[in-house]
Amino acid sequence: DAGVTQSPTHLIKTRGQQVTLRCSPKSGHDTVSWYQQALGQGPQFIFQYYEEEERQRGNFPDRFSGHQFPNYSSELNVNALLLGDSALYLCASSLSGEWSNQPQHFGDGTRLSIL
Amino acid sequence: RKEVEQDPGPFNVPEGATVAFNCTYSNSASQSFFWYRQDCRKEPKLLMSVYSSGNEDGRFTAQLNRASQYISLLIRDSKLSDSATYLCVVNSYYGGSQGNLIFGKGTKLSVKP
Repeated sequence: DAGVTQSPTHLIKTRGQQVTLRCSPKSGHDTVSWYQQALGQGPQFIFQYYEEEERQRGNFPDRFSGHQFPNYSSELNVNALLLGDSALYLCASSLSGEWSNQPQHFGDGTRLSIL
Repeated sequence: RKEVEQDPGPFNVPEGATVAFNCTYSNSASQSFFWYRQDCRKEPKLLMSVYSSGNEDGRFTAQLNRASQYISLLIRDSKLSDSATYLCVVNSYYGGSQGNLIFGKGTKLSVKP
């Protein structure tokens, strides 16, 4: 039973560039949430996707956008990268409906460094 | 006021010690509560859910006080392998599914021989 998988594991970019991070949810899960974790902080919610639509959004600028595909996988896109975007980006999956009280499961994360 | 606040760390304890972490949350509409554990440079992993009646899993005991909006985690007989950052997490449902998780900043625990 595959858990949440994310790619790439590490990425180095320069200011102003654009980046796309990918996530495949745990088998059977239909909801994907993205979080940003800066060094020494707890993860911060970016947005959540369900049925290929953004359902909730945290306090992040429009430079952060996403997508969910029919197979429930998801992408996080960040444009015009800033030094402050350097962080661990975590994807979490969960199941809507009857099992919605089950905890979210996290992938290993993508460590993004901006130079 | 932060939505989820935890004890400032780090906690440095000897093996076998009992250690307690406390957490408060500000949103009274929060519906689910968890403790996650995060090892250095790894993803958060669920340690345990927290129920109103309190729950225990081996050496770990979690308590929830909804009236005080307070969550706790007690670790007994601590092991070297318990060294990690412990994250207090609250959640509200949205549209029939889990909403966004709100994380505390985390409390770092170091268990020494």
